[in-house]
Amino acid sequence: TQLLEQSPQFLSIQEGENLTVYCNSSSVFSSLQWYRQEPGEGPVLLVTVVTGGEVKKLKRLTFQFGDARKDSSLHITAAQPGDTGLYLCAGSGAGKSTFGDGTTLTVKP
Amino acid sequence: NAGVMQNPRHLVRRRGQEARLRCSPVKGHSHVYWYRQLPEEGLKFMVYLQKENIIDESGMPKERFSAEFPKEGPSILRIQQVVRGDSAAYFCASSPVGESSGNTIYFGEGSWLTVV
Repeated sequence: TQLLEQSPQFLSIQEGENLTVYCNSSSVFSSLQWYRQEPGEGPVLLVTVVTGGEVKKLKRLTFQFGDARKDSSLHITAAQPGDTGLYLCAGSGAGKSTFGDGTTLTVKP
Repeated sequence: NAGVMQNPRHLVRRRGQEARLRCSPVKGHSHVYWYRQLPEEGLKFMVYLQKENIIDESGMPKERFSAEFPKEGPSILRIQQVVRGDSAAYFCASSPVGESSGNTIYFGEGSWLTVV
């Protein structure tokens, strides 16, 4: 069974601060996705990383895929209240995605 | 969420009743996935289907739960004789081809089941 561990589980910061969320596994994935989910809604895809060592930037968000394709990180610069939500990582392989339990981020104004 | 439609969005059932959740994938997508999410948890894989075939049901409880994706019509997740522990959000996702090829799946907005 492939498992993904996300840390921290909860994160509460002030507007303008930087933060990093981690996603770790002992398994190798063919690709890894990051999603953001708001209460009462489905997950919305932020990014897919495929190549070991890959770095992708999406405005203030930076995503990195580990060299061995077992782990990933999401870094947010100058967080804003609109970044508040549940951030989920998911590893793809064997025909399905395995999700971490998520990081609940709260950005206070 | 790329057009995956789920209904009902909210469903209340008494213990022992049946729940049927429907999912219409993005037009042209032939692969459907069902996930369950408990409060403050991630999504747990339940089942992966292609048209008329169950590819992987390793995450489905052995009893009371079943899923289908007929040649025509939506995918159905059926829960018989519901219990309170079945209360959760059930998400459907679809993709044009299998995930192992690197394609991303797109999620619907979920169906919230409450068992009273």
